[in-house]
Amino acid sequence: SQTIHQWPATLVQPVGSPLSLECTVEGTSNPNLYWYRQAAGRGLQLLFYSVGIGQISSEVPQNLSASRPQDRQFILSSKKLLLSDSGFYLCAWNGRQGMYFGPGTRLTVT
Amino acid sequence: RKEVEQDPGPFNVPEGATVAFNCTYSNSASQSFFWYRQDCRKEPKLLMSVYSSGNEDGRFTAQLNRASQYISLLIRDSKLSDSATYLCVVTVEYGNKLVFGAGTILRVKS
Repeated sequence: SQTIHQWPATLVQPVGSPLSLECTVEGTSNPNLYWYRQAAGRGLQLLFYSVGIGQISSEVPQNLSASRPQDRQFILSSKKLLLSDSGFYLCAWNGRQGMYFGPGTRLTVT
Repeated sequence: RKEVEQDPGPFNVPEGATVAFNCTYSNSASQSFFWYRQDCRKEPKLLMSVYSSGNEDGRFTAQLNRASQYISLLIRDSKLSDSATYLCVVTVEYGNKLVFGAGTILRVKS
């Protein structure tokens, strides 16, 4: 069966610091991978998606970037965090039956 | 206009009640449709897919009306454990992109 891993589970970072969140998927090959963000009390906002290694589609212009160095690895990065980057970051992959999410990273920017 | 719109609720219902949620979408080219459930501070989890012919899974029934571009979810005999946020999801761009509604909050009370 497929499993999606994200780490860390929680993170507190100061404004202006860099960010790197990693997501890996097991049990499938060449998955479509996604990064979503959910601000407190809000809906899910699609940030990036990838249909293959090195292929990244950006949905929202902002200070975040994504990379896909390996088939089952998806990384979300920032060089300098803003207060507005706080939120619940979710990695997901798109299977035949729907989209499946990792456990998420709760980021607080202080 | 938002791509996917839901009544945010909350819907406060007693145990055993029947409750229905609706969702409208704006992109007539949307191909697939889903309902997700999200518990507080957790990742969304797939509840069920939605087909044009309608589908049922135990106490849950989902319907799709392509002509009117809306999706519904009916929950019968509500349980306390049904309390959660229910997210309506549609796919666009040949299934590569999933767009989430902001969610409808359900609170089932004893």
